Amino acid sequence: NAGVMQNPRHLVRRRGQEARLRCSPMKGHSHVYWYRQLPEEGLKFMVYLQKENIIDESGMPKERFSAEFPKEGPSILRIQQVVRGDSAAYFCASSPAISYNEQFFGPGTRLTVL
Amino acid sequence: RKEVEQDPGPFNVPEGATVAFNCTYSNSASQSFFWYRQDCRKEPKLLMSVYSSGNEDGRFTAQLNRASQYISLLIRDSKLSDSATYLCVVNIAGQNFVFGPGTRLSVLP
Repeated sequence: NAGVMQNPRHLVRRRGQEARLRCSPMKGHSHVYWYRQLPEEGLKFMVYLQKENIIDESGMPKERFSAEFPKEGPSILRIQQVVRGDSAAYFCASSPAISYNEQFFGPGTRLTVL
Repeated sequence: RKEVEQDPGPFNVPEGATVAFNCTYSNSASQSFFWYRQDCRKEPKLLMSVYSSGNEDGRFTAQLNRASQYISLLIRDSKLSDSATYLCVVNIAGQNFVFGPGTRLSVLP
């Protein structure tokens, strides 16, 4: 049973470009969460999705950031017009259908904005 | 007040020491509780869930006090490999998980 998969593992973008981060949850998991971690800081919740629904996006910046979890395929976190402050590790986690079970994390995508 | 607060750390302890981490949460509707560990530049990994009656897993013991909204983690006979950041996590059913800021532990030889 493969764990949570994220790709790419490392992503380099120039200011103004778009970044697309993908997350495939564990088999059987229908809840996906995205977190951002700045260097030397804690995890910050961004968004919580179920298939085709955004449940909670209270942690996501209002502009330039969007997330989706389509019926088929991975969850996508999209950052438009990246700025240097977007450089961080972005972690995806998944949990089973009952959301209060523990989460399992992917290895993360390290985004560097030049 | 932050939703989940932890000891600021860092904790530097010798091998073999016993170390305790404390965590408090503000939302009384919180239903599930966990301890995760995160190694440098790695993803968080589940260490243990925390149950109302308290639970133990080898050298690790977790306690929950719902009345005081307090969670603890005790590590006995600490090993060098225990060096990591320990994250307290709470969840309200149907809502997102809230992570504490973490407490860094360094076990010294």
